[in-house]
Amino acid sequence: GAVVSQHPSRVICKSGTSVKIECRSLDFQATTMFWYRQFPKKSLMLMATSNEGSKATYEQGVEKDKFLINHASLTLSTLTVTSAHPEDSSFYICSARPGTANSPLHFGNGTRLTVT
Amino acid sequence: GNSVTQMEGPVTLSEEAFLTINCTYTATGYPSLFWYVQYPGEGLQLLLKATKADDKGSNKGFEATYRKETTSFHLEKGSVQVSDSAVYFCALSGDSSYKLIFGSGTRLLVRP
Repeated sequence: GAVVSQHPSRVICKSGTSVKIECRSLDFQATTMFWYRQFPKKSLMLMATSNEGSKATYEQGVEKDKFLINHASLTLSTLTVTSAHPEDSSFYICSARPGTANSPLHFGNGTRLTVT
Repeated sequence: GNSVTQMEGPVTLSEEAFLTINCTYTATGYPSLFWYVQYPGEGLQLLLKATKADDKGSNKGFEATYRKETTSFHLEKGSVQVSDSAVYFCALSGDSSYKLIFGSGTRLLVRP
């Protein structure tokens, strides 16, 4: 089945530094990928829609200059958390959909970001 | 706008008990409905889905029926196992959108 790989699975960084998270579709091409953020014991919040070859579409309230998204190829999207602060600590999950709109989303295993 | 409401957890059951996790939704048009499961420390896995009214999604002993009249998609399993302990998310996808809207998740704990 469709596989979405996310890397790294865990990262710890110091406040003020930037962190890049990669999301790859391993056996299908994805013109669109989605980035979610999950707070402890909370649901997933859609942050942005990553579009191959064009700018990402951000949800209301998400800072586009802080969460930089690059979708440079049909199998790779990256999320860069710039100038990270402790409040950015969270679980970030990417997802992608193979095929048509009726295909279910497949999720990566997530990245646990801890900013110290 | 579209939204999903799930029963609050945690839900604690003994092994072999019957499980129901309620999910209702608000949406325009004809959304697709999903249940995702998240095991500790992992990402989400699709458990089952239904794309139109009266469809029943099923997988691994879990079932959910798309009820348009009650705007519900309740998750059921006749006999839970310890390995079913996880967080379960109900979600919908609008008929013209790729986006998934999630409920708040329900944590299930099954005791031996």
